[in-house]
Amino acid sequence: GENVEQHPSTLSVQEGDSAVIKCTYSDSASNYFPWYKQELGKRPQLIIDIRSNVGEKKDQRIAVTLNKTAKHFSLHITETQPEDSAVYFCAASFNAGNMLTFGGGTRLMVKP
Amino acid sequence: GAVVSQHPSWVICKSGTSVKIECRSLDFQATTMFWYRQFPKQSLMLMATSNEGSKATYEQGVEKDKFLINHASLTLSTLTVTSAHPEDSSFYICSAPGHNNQPQHFGDGTRLSIL
Repeated sequence: GENVEQHPSTLSVQEGDSAVIKCTYSDSASNYFPWYKQELGKRPQLIIDIRSNVGEKKDQRIAVTLNKTAKHFSLHITETQPEDSAVYFCAASFNAGNMLTFGGGTRLMVKP
Repeated sequence: GAVVSQHPSWVICKSGTSVKIECRSLDFQATTMFWYRQFPKQSLMLMATSNEGSKATYEQGVEKDKFLINHASLTLSTLTVTSAHPEDSSFYICSAPGHNNQPQHFGDGTRLSIL
């Protein structure tokens, strides 16, 4: 089955700096790669996703890049703000309607 | 607003009790729903895939006799943790696929604490 590795497990940045979180996956059949933000005790919230026919996608301060050949994808957050502090999860799936395999998570701390 | 409603949000009960968690899709039909479990400071792990009108598909290592899943209608899936023990204490969360290959909708999750 699919295996998703995520790094780093914790990330501390100064407000205004950029944050980058990286994931690798094992199953070349995966075509859908979402990123979730989870606050303590809450459901995961989809912040951005990318499908295999696209190499990069951007939404304001958030961007995701995908390298299908190397089987890795990354989340980039620019101009970080304290409210960006949370746990971020990457995931992989055959398509958006299929079960998700999650990475181990990254605890992002943005210091004011 | 929430498109997947999950109840209860929080349960505390004694060891040996059975606990039922409901997951409802609002305003749309879900022939498939997914049940995940998340231990503290860990990731979400898929437990099982719930299929309307048929048996659930369980992931390796998940006891089907302990975690009973019923998906009797197109809008409701239930997970029953039978004879719960402290090691079953966790955050259980369901999700349902969106229409036309759209992202999944997650419920708010159920925090289960077994004393």
